[in-house]
Amino acid sequence: QVQLVESGGGVVQPGRSLRLSCAVSGFSFSSYSMHWVRQAPGKGLEWVSLISFHGGNIYYADSVKGRFTISRDNSKNTLFLQMNSLTAEDTAVYYCARDMTLGSWGIDLDYWGQGTLVTVSS
Amino acid sequence: QSALTQPASVSGSPGQSITISCTGTSSDISGHNYVSWYQQHPGKAPKLMIYEVSNRPSGVSNRFSGSKSGNTASLTISGLQAEDEADYYCSSYTGSSTLYVFGTGTKVTVL
Repeated sequence: QVQLVESGGGVVQPGRSLRLSCAVSGFSFSSYSMHWVRQAPGKGLEWVSLISFHGGNIYYADSVKGRFTISRDNSKNTLFLQMNSLTAEDTAVYYCARDMTLGSWGIDLDYWGQGTLVTVSS
Repeated sequence: QSALTQPASVSGSPGQSITISCTGTSSDISGHNYVSWYQQHPGKAPKLMIYEVSNRPSGVSNRFSGSKSGNTASLTISGLQAEDEADYYCSSYTGSSTLYVFGTGTKVTVL
């Protein structure tokens, strides 16, 4: 069955960096675009970033542009999110999610991981 | 790019129908059919309920339906059940630098 498992969350000081990973199984990873979505404690969902199935198209929310970098390793079925210059506003549960649009991308996210909590605090 | 606007809460009795609205602008919701809806129970990951305005993924109950008119998308839950009590979020392509946006979220309460 399809599984997405995030890791790498934790407590980090403001201005520092963190790298999240999302290991996937149960489907052909290289055929699907992938997203990161975050949710601050008690708040709503916020779209963070998208990487196309082949890695050639990448998009970011304005709130993280220039600080976050999404990447993927199709040989290892793993999605990444490098987060630099973290601030308290980045504190959230970070979810990786599969885009159901085979061979393209949209906002139809049909499988999600369980999320990993990132807390930015001194 | 601001979040799409949803009512903070909607409630209904078992068996009733409720509708959740999602209001955007001409640059997001009204310009295309890339609108989806998610259900999220407390402490759980979101679940896709509707995609491309009105399509249901396999396994989603036909009690859930979606529609769109102008700048507003809607999710209707018919035959409300206790298990439908959750938070619901719409999302849309924006065509701006922030490619996608979610709605503010609606808490559905089954009375």
